[in-house]
Amino acid sequence: EAQVTQNPRYLITVTGKKLTVTCSQNMNHEYMSWYRQDPGLGLRQIYYSMNVEVTDKGDVPEGYKVSRKEKRNFPLILESPSPNQTSLYFCASSQTGELFFGEGSRLTVL
Amino acid sequence: DAKTTQPPSMDCAEGRAANLPCNHSTISGNEYVYWYRQIHSQGPQYIIHGLKNNETNEMASLIITEDRKSSTLILPHATLRDTAVYYCIVKNAGGTSYGKLTFGQGTILTVHP
Repeated sequence: EAQVTQNPRYLITVTGKKLTVTCSQNMNHEYMSWYRQDPGLGLRQIYYSMNVEVTDKGDVPEGYKVSRKEKRNFPLILESPSPNQTSLYFCASSQTGELFFGEGSRLTVL
Repeated sequence: DAKTTQPPSMDCAEGRAANLPCNHSTISGNEYVYWYRQIHSQGPQYIIHGLKNNETNEMASLIITEDRKSSTLILPHATLRDTAVYYCIVKNAGGTSYGKLTFGQGTILTVHP
């Protein structure tokens, strides 16, 4: 089954404790991206990747890092999480058209 | 990518057609119009896309004006399960990339009994 898998789905953490949200797709897609969703602000893009070793900033990249060492994985790294990074995060992948989204990761930073 | 404008909310009676408008007045010739929806806090789901001709699939119809500056997503017989946030975006044709992409806030469609 074609899917985008995110982990963890839910996480409560504390300020400053590094964390990684993983994203993996099994469709051999070249394009992957990360979004955050906050009430009243819609889906905002954090980072995207056109292919392996190619990443670029979206609209809200501050406080986040990404890497794309292999095609299927695109982890989102929060080196020093802060409460304003409390949000619902989505990973997505695509080849030429339709975006496939993961189920989301709800992150709370205390 | 061109920007899109959608009404923040709409209502529809169950069983009636839901017509969701989207303005994309700065769309360029090689940009497609895509529609997605998000139910509760699930990941957005693809609905339909088109370039300049009207399109129909099992979920919806897409009507694009002749000048391509606006489009309408039509859910022909809305059900309570169609209550969701609907996003209209534009994307360059071809290639592998959406590149930098902003979804905006979309339209909250509420289908009532």
